[in-house]
Amino acid sequence: ETGVTQTPRHLVMGMTNKKSLKCEQHLGHNAMYWYKQSAKKPLELMFVYNFKEQTENNSVPSRFSPECPNSSHLFLHLHTLQPEDSALYLCASSLSGLSNTGELFFGEGSRLTVL
Amino acid sequence: DAKTTQPPSMDCAEGRAANLPCNHSTISGNEYVYWYRQIHSQGPQYIIHGLKNNETNEMASLIITEDRKSSTLILPHATLRDTAVYYCIVRINNAGNMLTFGGGTRLMVKP
Repeated sequence: ETGVTQTPRHLVMGMTNKKSLKCEQHLGHNAMYWYKQSAKKPLELMFVYNFKEQTENNSVPSRFSPECPNSSHLFLHLHTLQPEDSALYLCASSLSGLSNTGELFFGEGSRLTVL
Repeated sequence: DAKTTQPPSMDCAEGRAANLPCNHSTISGNEYVYWYRQIHSQGPQYIIHGLKNNETNEMASLIITEDRKSSTLILPHATLRDTAVYYCIVRINNAGNMLTFGGGTRLMVKP
């Protein structure tokens, strides 16, 4: 138990569906992240939020839309996805600002399959 | 951030020490060395980090060479549950700098 909870753990969707991934952290952190891990590829950073403000968008296609309503919750809204978007989507959190020691706390991930 | 080089895979016998090497020959003076691991189908887990001194915690020891161009993560008594991909990352400890994961080393602990 890392203190970062992701739901759903598994999701299968068609290319025309709209779905959302949810992440919640109970660690009092102020920064939250979305990473993507495709088969046999390194983790890729997608988005970063600090104090609810998006501070990094790593050239992610617009079919992925993040939302951070508060420092404890992070969503990834998905629409019109492609089969190559099938991957493990990982959420992480950390302290931010001058306290950022590089310690990320990851959730267990949401395994997405796009048909 | 400086790049790191790790062997793609290693084996270790259960109960023995696992020594995972990492080369970071272009590391700069203010870059820390971080180690994470990822057990199959789970999120990565922080293990340890250091700047130039050797570090030890309940999970592992980190040995950094004097010239800081390489380091070794030591799991003193490997168990089957230590089978995972281990990532070595170098990073400036600055709020704006993200962790960039490479391919890591797949450690297989065998009975």
